[in-house]
Amino acid sequence: QQQVKQSPQSLIVQKGGISIINCAYENTAFDYFPWYQQFPGKGPALLIAIRPDVSEKKEGRFTISFNKSAKQFSLHIMDSQPGDSATYFCAPQGSNTGNQFYFGTGTSLTVIP
Amino acid sequence: KAGVTQTPRYLIKTRGQQVTLSCSPISGHRSVSWYQQTPGQGLQFLFEYFSETQRNKGNFPGRFSGRQFSNSRSEMNVSTLELGDSALYLCASSFARATEAFFGQGTRLTVV
Repeated sequence: QQQVKQSPQSLIVQKGGISIINCAYENTAFDYFPWYQQFPGKGPALLIAIRPDVSEKKEGRFTISFNKSAKQFSLHIMDSQPGDSATYFCAPQGSNTGNQFYFGTGTSLTVIP
Repeated sequence: KAGVTQTPRYLIKTRGQQVTLSCSPISGHRSVSWYQQTPGQGLQFLFEYFSETQRNKGNFPGRFSGRQFSNSRSEMNVSTLELGDSALYLCASSFARATEAFFGQGTRLTVV
């Protein structure tokens, strides 16, 4: 069952540019919307997360925008840096859907110096 | 505070063999989940254990099993290995549902 669709699959951005990754979900029971960052050889690590009672959350250069009616949320990386080059996953979860993250297919971000 | 520890980091096994992977969660976390990561299928949920009980299970064959001990450490076992089981196996621990999960570095399993 395809519950989460993530786009784009890959993204190349110039240093200082804005990176935008999108995630669409189907399950209205989801109530926790995180983005995970994974570097080669490492496990995923939480980057930023949002709950459905707010439409936007900002932490430093990273912002989540959440649209409950459209069942979409996105990750914006401002002033992208080469160190941001990694794979990003959206992974929504529901308090009542089992302690399971429904991972998107991932976006490979490359930031060119 | 120590992170999630997975052992071993790398394994090479032959088809038909079985393998056991280990995961030590963050102290105080009672939920441990396992994921399989492959280039073709991405991150797929295997199962979750909480207080020594399997609470949730993904769509994997019965060859994949797990358990959790009273100290929250978890093991997963794969029997009768197939070439397609080659993957990165990730363990994640969390304090509660719908909260941050902390992942280990994974065990890279290669089946030859």
